[in-house]
Amino acid sequence: AQSVTQLDSQVPVFEEAPVELRCNYSSSVSVYLFWYVQYPNQGLQLLLKYLSGSTLVKGINGFEAEFNKSQTSFHLRKPSVHISDTAEYFCAVNNDYKLSFGAGTTVTVRA
Amino acid sequence: ETGVTQTPRHLVMGMTNKKSLKCEQHLGHNAMYWYKQSAKKPLELMFVYNFKEQTENNSVPSRFSPECPNSSHLFLHLHTLQPEDSALYLCASSQGDGYTFGSGTRLTVV
Repeated sequence: AQSVTQLDSQVPVFEEAPVELRCNYSSSVSVYLFWYVQYPNQGLQLLLKYLSGSTLVKGINGFEAEFNKSQTSFHLRKPSVHISDTAEYFCAVNNDYKLSFGAGTTVTVRA
Repeated sequence: ETGVTQTPRHLVMGMTNKKSLKCEQHLGHNAMYWYKQSAKKPLELMFVYNFKEQTENNSVPSRFSPECPNSSHLFLHLHTLQPEDSALYLCASSQGDGYTFGSGTRLTVV
């Protein structure tokens, strides 16, 4: 079965600084990978996804992620964060027809 | 509004109560899911329905009973819950690789 590990549970960052959230997956077959964001008291919103093709994927709100097959990673980055990026971020892998999620990374952006 | 609507948004129930969570989507998706989100734990897949047929029950206790009357509606019937069942219950739907989540029902069992 495929699984996802998010290496950082908490990431504090100052406003306008860059941020990187790390995600590693385990799979013996081709994967589809996703990053979701969850704002307080809300459901999950898709930031971006990798299905095939270019390994650099651009998403909403200035986020991007790079699929690295040799390192089995799918790290999420944003060059300059805003206060409004404070949220929980989930990496997920498509396991057959259902999603398996990592434990989440809480990003707290401070002025 | 994501296209997947969950009601109620908040629910407080006693351990002897019976209640139901509702999920509705009009995105034309074939599959619907229930996930449980507890604090400090990964999202746990509970049930999967494909074309109204249950295709997965992830060892969920029988006090949780799903129902999918049609491809647009999904229910989660709750009875004799335990305090550890308090969590955010998320519904999702999908078509191919596109998944859409609702805003969740925050359930508190007292």
